This record gives sequence, C-alpha cells and structure tokens, in this order.
Amino acid sequence: SQTIHQWPATLVQPVGSPLSLECTVEGTSNPNLYWYRQAAGRGLQLLFYSVGIGQISSEVPQNLSASRPQDRQFILSSKKLLLSDSGFYLCAWRPRLGSTYEQYFGPGTRLTVT
Amino acid sequence: LAKTTQPISMDSYEGQEVNITCSHNNIATNDYITWYQQFPSQGPRFIIQGYKTKVTNEVASLFIPADRKSSTLSLPRVSLSDTAVYYCLVGNGPGSARQLTFGSGTQLTVLP
Repeated sequence: SQTIHQWPATLVQPVGSPLSLECTVEGTSNPNLYWYRQAAGRGLQLLFYSVGIGQISSEVPQNLSASRPQDRQFILSSKKLLLSDSGFYLCAWRPRLGSTYEQYFGPGTRLTVT
Repeated sequence: LAKTTQPISMDSYEGQEVNITCSHNNIATNDYITWYQQFPSQGPRFIIQGYKTKVTNEVASLFIPADRKSSTLSLPRVSLSDTAVYYCLVGNGPGSARQLTFGSGTQLTVLP
C-alpha cells in the first residue's frame, strides 16, 4: 500500500530564517506530487506541482520554492520566511496515469513564523 | 478553471440526510466534479467524483443535472463524525497533472 510522509509535523521559525519541508511517498512510482498551503480557516492554496524529477510548476509567485530531487521526494523551501508564510502545509500525491482526481494527502506540517 | 460557489456553513442533526449544493456555471465540457472532506489539522480526503447524472459509493451520492452547472453531494444519515469541511472542485479531466483549486468549502456541523 502507498503511504505519504511529511516532516516535521510542527515548526516554529523566526522571520527571515530559512525553511525546508520534506515529503516522501512510498509504494508507488512516478507520482504527481503537490504542495498546498492552508491559512487558518481558509481553503487550500496550490503552491507547486511536479510530474517528474526536476520538473516543477509554480502556481503562486512568492518567496517559496520546490524541488524534486528523487521520484518520490518533494521538498518545499524558502531562503527567508515571512510572517505570511505561516500556515498548514500539505503534500499530496496522485497517480500520474490515474483515472480520477483522487489525491492522497500527507499529515501536514504546521508552520508558525514569529 | 471553473469557479465554484458553495454555502459557507450548514448545520444538521444526527441521522438526517444532508445535501450540499455547489454551483459551477462555467463548467467546461471535459471538466469533472470532485468532492473532498477535511477534518481539522488533517489533509482532505476524497469522497466522490462524477461527470454527469448520479454517482454513488459507500460514503455518499453525487447528483449532477443535465446542464452540469451545479452538483449536490448527499450524505445519508449523518453522524457527529461527519462534522467537517466539504470542498467541491471542478476542473480538467483526470489526465491533467495540474490539480484542482480548493475553495473555502462548506463547514458542516452535525448536532446531537
């Protein structure tokens, strides 16, 4: 069976500090991978998606970046965090050749920028 | 991408059937309609997907009229554990890599 991991689960970082969130998927190959952010009480905002190693599509221009160094690894980074970067970060995967929209989400990372 | 409109919140009582309607007036020919459920501090969970008419699974039913400009998620006999945010999404066909956009959703509160 497939599983998706995210870490850390929670993170408190000062403004201006760097960020690295990691997501890994097990039990599948060539997945589409996604990063979302959810502000308190809001819907999910798609940040990045990837259809393969080194292939990143950005949905929202901002101070965040994403990388996919391996097939089942997706990393979200920032060089300098802003207060507005606080939120709940979710990684998700979907079969590349899937017949539905069903996405599988990780447990999320709660980021607080102080 | 087609924009969706759904109620911000709904209340119901245990054992009742709940219907949440979503409007998507500019849905495109190849767009599918998908619903997700999200509990606090968790990622959304896929509920159901459809293109037209009616789709039913073990969790819910999805009703889509002929013009496809709206859809209704039906949850039979809700329980307290169905309290969650429900998202309606509309977008390109399943072969599209780009994922659908989640709106603000509908907060369903089931009361005892």
